[in-house]
Order: sequence, then C-alpha cells, then structure tokens
Amino acid sequence: GNSVTQMEGPVTLSEEAFLTINCTYTATGYPSLFWYVQYPGEGLQLLLKATKADDKGSNKGFEATYRKETTSFHLEKGSVQVSDSAVYFCALDFGNEKLTFGTGTRLTIIP
Amino acid sequence: SQTIHQWPATLVQPVGSPLSLECTVEGTSNPNLYWYRQAAGRGLQLLFYSVGIGQISSEVPQNLSASRPQDRQFILSSKKLLLSDSGFYLCAWSLGQVGEQFFGPGTRLTVL
Repeated sequence: GNSVTQMEGPVTLSEEAFLTINCTYTATGYPSLFWYVQYPGEGLQLLLKATKADDKGSNKGFEATYRKETTSFHLEKGSVQVSDSAVYFCALDFGNEKLTFGTGTRLTIIP
Repeated sequence: SQTIHQWPATLVQPVGSPLSLECTVEGTSNPNLYWYRQAAGRGLQLLFYSVGIGQISSEVPQNLSASRPQDRQFILSSKKLLLSDSGFYLCAWSLGQVGEQFFGPGTRLTVL
C-alpha cells in the first residue's frame, strides 16, 4: 500500500543552522507530495507542495524537491529561526481527495 | 475568505460518557470534510471523510461515528468513550484540489 516514512524526531538545532528533514514514500503510481506544518496548539497548515517529478516546492525559506528516482521529498532550509519550531508532516495524495501523512517530526530551534 | 471552526477547544470526559465534537466551515460551498485523530507521539490518522450531506466514509473501525447534517457542518460522535479515544481531533476541508486541505484549530480530548 501507499505509505510515508519520515525522519524520526525530535530534532533540535541552533538558530541559523541548516535543516534537513527526510521523507520517503512508497506508492504505486505518481502521487503529489506535500509538507504541512503544525505550530504549537494549532491545526496543520500547508507549507509547500510538488505535483510531479523534479518539481520544487518552496515557501518561507523552506524547499523540497520531488525525486522520483529516490522516492523522496526531503524538506530543507538554509538558516532556521526560533519561529520555525513546530511539527512537520510529509504527506502524499493520489488525487483521490485523501492525504496519507507521515508520523511527523518535531523540530525545536534554540537561540 | 474561508474559515473553519472547531469546538470545544479542550474537553475532559469520563470513560463511558458520550461525545459530540463539532466542525463548521464558512465561506465555501460543498466542501469535502475530514476528521483526523492525532494521538500523542503519533501521526495523523484519517477517521472519516465526507463528500456531501449525509455521505460519510469511515476509514477505521472504532466506536466513533460522524454525521454531516448540513453542507458545512461535520460532527464527530461517540455513545461511550474509551480511554483510547484520547487525542487531538482535527477537522479539515478541501474543495477536491490535490492535497489542499485546510485544518481547523483542533479539539484536545482527554478521557479519564
């Protein structure tokens, strides 16, 4: 079946450090891929998405590239801020109007 | 603009008591609606989704049920809560666009 595997957390980084959160997927076919972010005590917000191979999604300094050959969609940011502390979810969609989420990665940025 | 509301924000209920969580969406028509549960230390689990009034699909067997009495209202219910029902419940809506789901602020349920 379809599944998403995310990097185990929690992840703790210093401010201005480089961030990578790994996400790989198993799927038959070519899903669309997403990163959602959940700030403390809130619901999820769409951070970025990519709908086909080699697409790069970007938003708020975060980037992720849809890599079909490695079935990956790793989230990166060059210089993190304290305000980036949140839980990040990788997700995939096959156009059936349902999302399959990873388990989430908790990120904490210390000043 | 569209907004999604959930209430209550927090709830503490004894085992065996009933449950009713409500979700409403404003500013759009005929949305797809979703209920998710986020258990402590775990990811999001899709519980129910609905593509229209009275149309409910259940994703996992459980003692919860969902109803959609109006176009923009989605209710999650239980007749008798279990300890394992504790978690953070999220409602979401979409217009069927790929992956574009919009989430409410969530309800934290603690069953004692």
